[in-house]
Amino acid sequence: AQTVTQSQPEMSVQEAETVTLSCTYDTSESDYYLFWYKQPPSRQMILVIRQEAYKQQNATENRFSVNFQKAAKSFSLKISDSQLGDAAMYFCAYRRKGGSEKLVFGKGTKLTVNP
Amino acid sequence: DVKVTQSSRYLVKRTGEKVFLECVQDMDHENMFWYRQDPGLGLRLIYFSYDVKMKEKGDIPEGYSVSREKKERFSLILESASTNQTSMYLCALSARGRRETQYFGPGTRLLVL
Repeated sequence: AQTVTQSQPEMSVQEAETVTLSCTYDTSESDYYLFWYKQPPSRQMILVIRQEAYKQQNATENRFSVNFQKAAKSFSLKISDSQLGDAAMYFCAYRRKGGSEKLVFGKGTKLTVNP
Repeated sequence: DVKVTQSSRYLVKRTGEKVFLECVQDMDHENMFWYRQDPGLGLRLIYFSYDVKMKEKGDIPEGYSVSREKKERFSLILESASTNQTSMYLCALSARGRRETQYFGPGTRLLVL
């Protein structure tokens, strides 16, 4: 069974600095999707970034980028120029391609942004 | 924009009550999901549905059932609520044309006394 591990339950960063959240996963599949979701306090879960496993190029969305290392099964999220609004729980998730659309989530990393 | 609506943000129920959590979408998306979110455990899939009257068990279906009589509505049912079902419940769907991504509702925080 696929598993997703986020080894950092909590992280903190100073405003305007850069932080990297870690995620590793375990799968025997060769093609799949990986996601980072953000859940601000008392607010809705939203998609931050998505990566397709067959694409070697790392996905980027404005200040958010990933470092996808397929062989190492690692999928870290880098947030540049951190802002107060980036404070949230961040969840890494995996989904195999085809078949069930079930998402497998990590346990989350709580990010605090200090002014 | 994909919109997922959950009927209640907060709900307080008593042990043994039958509880209905409603999730509604405003487009013709087939696939809908119910997750449970607990601190330190992340999100766990309870049930999902690929179409009207179709359902499949997720990882933690015990104590729950679901109903999908119309495509736009996916209900999670706690037949006899227990205190260990106190949790945050999130509904999600995968959008037609963007099936690889799931979009979430605002969540229902359920307290069972």
